[in-house]
Amino acid sequence: NAGVTQTPKFRILKIGQSMTLQCTQDMNHNYMYWYRQDPGMGLKLIYYSVGAGITDKGEVPNGYNVSRSTTEDFPLRLELAAPSQTSVYFCASRRTGFYNEQFFGPGTRLTVL
Amino acid sequence: AQTVTQSQPEMSVQEAETVTLSCTYDTSESDYYLFWYKQPPSRQMILVIRQEAYKQQNATENRFSVNFQKAAKSFSLKISDSQLGDAAMYFCSIIQGAQKLVFGQGTRLTINP
Repeated sequence: NAGVTQTPKFRILKIGQSMTLQCTQDMNHNYMYWYRQDPGMGLKLIYYSVGAGITDKGEVPNGYNVSRSTTEDFPLRLELAAPSQTSVYFCASRRTGFYNEQFFGPGTRLTVL
Repeated sequence: AQTVTQSQPEMSVQEAETVTLSCTYDTSESDYYLFWYKQPPSRQMILVIRQEAYKQQNATENRFSVNFQKAAKSFSLKISDSQLGDAAMYFCSIIQGAQKLVFGQGTRLTINP
């Protein structure tokens, strides 16, 4: 199993540009998540999904959109990038049940200039 | 809403010694899980240990153990026989309800040879 994969690893955007961060998991997990990690801080939840076709907002959803058309894929869309969106973005997935750990992707470092 | 507080931004320990990382949390729920995740310089998030709120017995995973004090809402991580590979950011987290993980701000652990 590849686990959770994210592309790209690094990206520089100009203010006002848009992009999609890709996330794929091959573990057949129902739950998928997008987090952002600002320097020296913990992870903050942007959006999450409990299954294909179902998404919900997390703590910091403004400026982002998601979709979940398949179990495997959970892309994160940034519209009109702003410097405040400079961060490291992590995708994660887990099986249903509190006890089950989240498996994280390697992260995408995004810089908005 | 749940909150997680890690009051030690940085800790250091001599190799082979024992170190304890602190974590307190706030929740109104009676059933939840607590986790410690490790983030080495590679950025990859790795599960270290987990604890169910209903279990009185403290969780142990090899050199890692927790001191779970439910009444005090405290969940500290003890690392015994510290190794150079333990150097990382450590995040305390809680999950409940809608399957959303809430993270603390992290503690950076340095191992001195």
